Amino acid sequence: QKEVEQNSGPLSVPEGAIASLNCTYSDRVSQSFFWYRQYSGKSPELIMSIYSNGDKEDGRFTAQLNKASQYVSLLIRDSQPSDSATYLCAVARSYNTDKLIFGTGTRLQVFP
Amino acid sequence: DTAVSQTPKYLVTQMGNDKSIKCEQNLGHDTMYWYKQDSKKFLKIMFSYNNKELIINETVPNRFSPKSPDKAHLNLHINSLELGDSAVYFCASSQRNEQFFGPGTRLTVL
Repeated sequence: QKEVEQNSGPLSVPEGAIASLNCTYSDRVSQSFFWYRQYSGKSPELIMSIYSNGDKEDGRFTAQLNKASQYVSLLIRDSQPSDSATYLCAVARSYNTDKLIFGTGTRLQVFP
Repeated sequence: DTAVSQTPKYLVTQMGNDKSIKCEQNLGHDTMYWYKQDSKKFLKIMFSYNNKELIINETVPNRFSPKSPDKAHLNLHINSLELGDSAVYFCASSQRNEQFFGPGTRLTVL
């Protein structure tokens, strides 16, 4: 079992729709959870971090965390073609200065 | 102003050569990292330094040697390059676990 699992996609959604990206992790003691966006040929860019169960909203992005189910998700509202990228889920055991375990990423395609 | 910078951006070299990649951050962060992203886009940590001290050393061949002259710089030296070393190498820095990545160095070993 991979430590952090994501569906590789591609996930195709029409412009204006909600894109839902999912991630599961195997280490029950994980405390920190992150979503990174990576455009082709570019570096990963941090878009959301979440540490507590529930939802965290930032603009069009909402991260959801359920530690009991070992599940974290990212919702992108009003998807735009510019959101087309690979989204990487990352997990760490502690809150500070720890290694991030990355999933293999989900490729999102938003079509006009 | 670039937050995390790396040089060079591209590196093409022959098998058996020795090469170095440099990284600098101007964010004032205490912790810096080296990651390797392979051809399947899997991103894996290699090393981490906190205030010039090595704190994470994954199972990386000892041909790879990181060096941190100060907390704003982390370099990676690779000896006796092999074909399998071809990848994109990312430097990152963080204050907590929120890590910020450099632009990457694409290494191609021929």
